[in-house]
Amino acid sequence: AQRVTQPEKLLSVFKGAPVELKCNYSYSGSPELFWYVQYSRQRLQLLLRHISRESIKGFTADLNKGETSFHLKKPFAQEEDSAMYYCALEGQGGSEKLVFGKGTKLTVNP
Amino acid sequence: DSGVTQTPKHLITATGQRVTLRCSPRSGDLSVYWYQQSLDQGLQFLIQYYNGEERAKGNILERFSAQQFPDLHSELNLSSLELGDSALYFCASSPRWGQAEQYFGPGTRLTVT
Repeated sequence: AQRVTQPEKLLSVFKGAPVELKCNYSYSGSPELFWYVQYSRQRLQLLLRHISRESIKGFTADLNKGETSFHLKKPFAQEEDSAMYYCALEGQGGSEKLVFGKGTKLTVNP
Repeated sequence: DSGVTQTPKHLITATGQRVTLRCSPRSGDLSVYWYQQSLDQGLQFLIQYYNGEERAKGNILERFSAQQFPDLHSELNLSSLELGDSALYFCASSPRWGQAEQYFGPGTRLTVT
């Protein structure tokens, strides 16, 4: 079964501190993984996907197949990073349906 | 703005009723997805349509149905509503088959009283 686990519901850091949002997945095969972000009163939007290997807004995420993880990291958090972050995995069966984790609410304090 | 629109924004209705949620995908996007977001279950995939045809089903109840019309807009029909159906319903679209990046709408908040 495909499953995405985000162990932290809430994460609070101070501005300028490093931040890591954890994501573990369960999937047989080569996964395609994503991080989506939802800022306050805005719609869910794609932050990054592992195949593009981009750094968006200073965030990076590395796929670790051995640990089945796709943690999201940023070396210096900013207040505007405060949001809900969802890790997602592309589903099997010829569909691009996304299987989401339950999300982590990140708060960056001044 | 991703361009996906959903109406209505909010909907309050009583148990046992039926409602229809509407989604217009981004211009040119052929795939439409419906998701349900509730406090306890998080974001759950319900159903996907591609160019008018049902493509995949997730955790969608039999009381729920959807369709995609020739102009590619989609409707999600929820019937015999129960209190537990109260949730945010999101629609997302993507350009074409094999394009996994999805663009989300703002959601419809359904409250069943």
